[in-house]
Amino acid sequence: DAKTTQPNSMESNEEEPVHLPCNHSTISGTDYIHWYRQLPSQGPEYVIHGLTSNVNNRMASLAIAEDRKSSTLILHRATLRDAAVYYCILIGGGSNYKLTFGKGTLLTVNP
Amino acid sequence: DAGVIQSPRHEVTEMGQEVTLRCKPISGHNSLFWYRQTMMRGLELLIYFNNNVPIDDSGMPEDRFSAKMPNASFSTLKIQPSEPRDSAVYFCASRQGSGANVLTFGAGSRLTVL
Repeated sequence: DAKTTQPNSMESNEEEPVHLPCNHSTISGTDYIHWYRQLPSQGPEYVIHGLTSNVNNRMASLAIAEDRKSSTLILHRATLRDAAVYYCILIGGGSNYKLTFGKGTLLTVNP
Repeated sequence: DAGVIQSPRHEVTEMGQEVTLRCKPISGHNSLFWYRQTMMRGLELLIYFNNNVPIDDSGMPEDRFSAKMPNASFSTLKIQPSEPRDSAVYFCASRQGSGANVLTFGAGSRLTVL
């Protein structure tokens, strides 16, 4: 499995932007970069994903490095409801792909 | 769609008892995953199915754990006999196809073994 590396924790203030980094130096050409988050006492939920180009949706933006060895999840204005564990995982192009999660980044948002 | 449905949401049982956790994936999804989450070990992949066939069960901790997917709309994870160290939140997730497709998780089943 291609591995990802994330900081254990990050802290932000409410209404400020947050940049959550992820390193994936062994990414293969067919791997998609997915981000999920887990709010307290809930199951993980999808945030955003991309392959090569930067992506935007209503929740966040995903910036992918040109060499694809790293990516950054951007929350444009953090709210208290964004406090969660954020996971970056690689999902390959084939259907039989083992989806394993690392420890993720615990994001704390201060009021 | 109601999403991935898991039952029971909470289960408290005594050591040695059999536990069965159930999962109904999203209709049309052909891959199903069982995960276990604890504070110490995080989110661990136990087993995953593709088109109802178990593809990789290397994450199943030991023979006390078994999983089945008799059809595309139902899967079970069974622990027999249960032990206190099995206490965890068990998540089921499903997705369709490959690559770009999103993984959708259920709300989880919190198991406590006394």
